[in-house]
Amino acid sequence: QVQLVQSGAEVKKPGASVKVSCQASGYTFTTFGINWVRQAPGQGLQWMGWISAYNGDTNYAQKFQGRVTMTTDTSASTVYMELRSLRSDDTAVYYCARDRNPLELRSLRSDWFDPWGQGTLVTVSS
Amino acid sequence: EIVLTQSPATLSLSPGERATLSCRASQSVSNYLAWYQQKPGQAPRLLIYDASNRAAGIPARFSGSGSGTDFTLTISSLEPEDFAVYSCQQRRIWPPTFGQGTRLEIK
Repeated sequence: QVQLVQSGAEVKKPGASVKVSCQASGYTFTTFGINWVRQAPGQGLQWMGWISAYNGDTNYAQKFQGRVTMTTDTSASTVYMELRSLRSDDTAVYYCARDRNPLELRSLRSDWFDPWGQGTLVTVSS
Repeated sequence: EIVLTQSPATLSLSPGERATLSCRASQSVSNYLAWYQQKPGQAPRLLIYDASNRAAGIPARFSGSGSGTDFTLTISSLEPEDFAVYSCQQRRIWPPTFGQGTRLEIK
């Protein structure tokens, strides 16, 4: 079955960077895009950006432009999300989520998110 | 960006009752709306996409309706496992955005 497995929890100091991984299995990795969505404690979901696992094209939310980088390693079927210059309000659970539709069938600039990884808690604290 | 407003924030019902959750968009999203279910400590799960299509493996008691700016998620007869947080999401206008969620709790 399709599965996304994320790296473990991280604790970082303000100003540091964090890199979270998301390893996919159960499908042909390069035929779908992957999104990153975060959820601060007690808050709603916030879309951060998207990467094509086929060619590495990215779309980032304006809020994170210049501070986030998403990359892929096709040999490992893994997507990475690096967030820099961390602040306390970056404390959140970070999820990766695959596009529901393969790249060739995407009809708009974004897709539905299905399935999701289990989430990675990133805590930013001095 | 499009703002999605969900109501009510919390809904208290008993198993077997019918649940009706609302999601309103700040401008038309046509039928490009989805619903997700999230249980404590778990990732969200896609329930409904394109406003009314059930995702794979989702029971028939879940249904979605609406178009334009007003959408509804209905759970026809609540099972104990249905008590969770439900969020709507639109993808008509980039960037994709989510509502703040409705917490469905046991009365």
